[in-house]
Amino acid sequence: ETGVTQTPRHLVMGMTNKKSLKCEQHLGHNAMYWYKQSAKKPLELMFVYNFKEQTENNSVPSRFSPECPNSSHLFLHLHTLQPEDSALYLCASSASGEETQYFGPGTRLLVL
Amino acid sequence: GIQVEQSPPDLILQEGANSTLRCNFSDSVNNLQWFHQNPWGQLINLFYIPSGTKQNGRLSATTVATERYSLLYISSSQTTDSGVYFCAVTSNFGNEKLTFGTGTRLTIIP
Repeated sequence: ETGVTQTPRHLVMGMTNKKSLKCEQHLGHNAMYWYKQSAKKPLELMFVYNFKEQTENNSVPSRFSPECPNSSHLFLHLHTLQPEDSALYLCASSASGEETQYFGPGTRLLVL
Repeated sequence: GIQVEQSPPDLILQEGANSTLRCNFSDSVNNLQWFHQNPWGQLINLFYIPSGTKQNGRLSATTVATERYSLLYISSSQTTDSGVYFCAVTSNFGNEKLTFGTGTRLTIIP
């Protein structure tokens, strides 16, 4: 599926680095989501944006900072991460908060 | 919050076999989706099925909302069906948070 794209697909960063993950959806949706998938754990919802407004922050540490400049773009800014933050970060979008969610291919992040 | 349990956790089958994957949830839901995650991590929508039965080719799904479970059927399995299958739900009494189960890892052997 190419409706939701994510860049970069892979990222290796040190604990002192600052990087950003980008998500773009081409489906005309109004809601966008960040999920974290760690090994041996279910997907965890991190943030939800509805019409560019953050409606959910699932107790995520402040070293993860989301930004939603418009309904089509979502960023996740990363700074001073820990090795346990290494995971697959998935972006999703839906027409509204209760509709089918469509996922991007994910960014596989390794924090050294 | 709502609990989602999937069974079995792992399933290894010969190509051509049929399989049934189960998802139990602890509360009434207004959204239930089945996903297939391929070996590269991509999550593919299979079904949006908060109730009733749907079919798409070799795959079908049934959700019995009153009994709080959903089943995913895969017939005539192919090696490309391998991967992890996730059930995810949104509770009637929560916000739009989609809660995922821990998945069933399906391996199809040629």
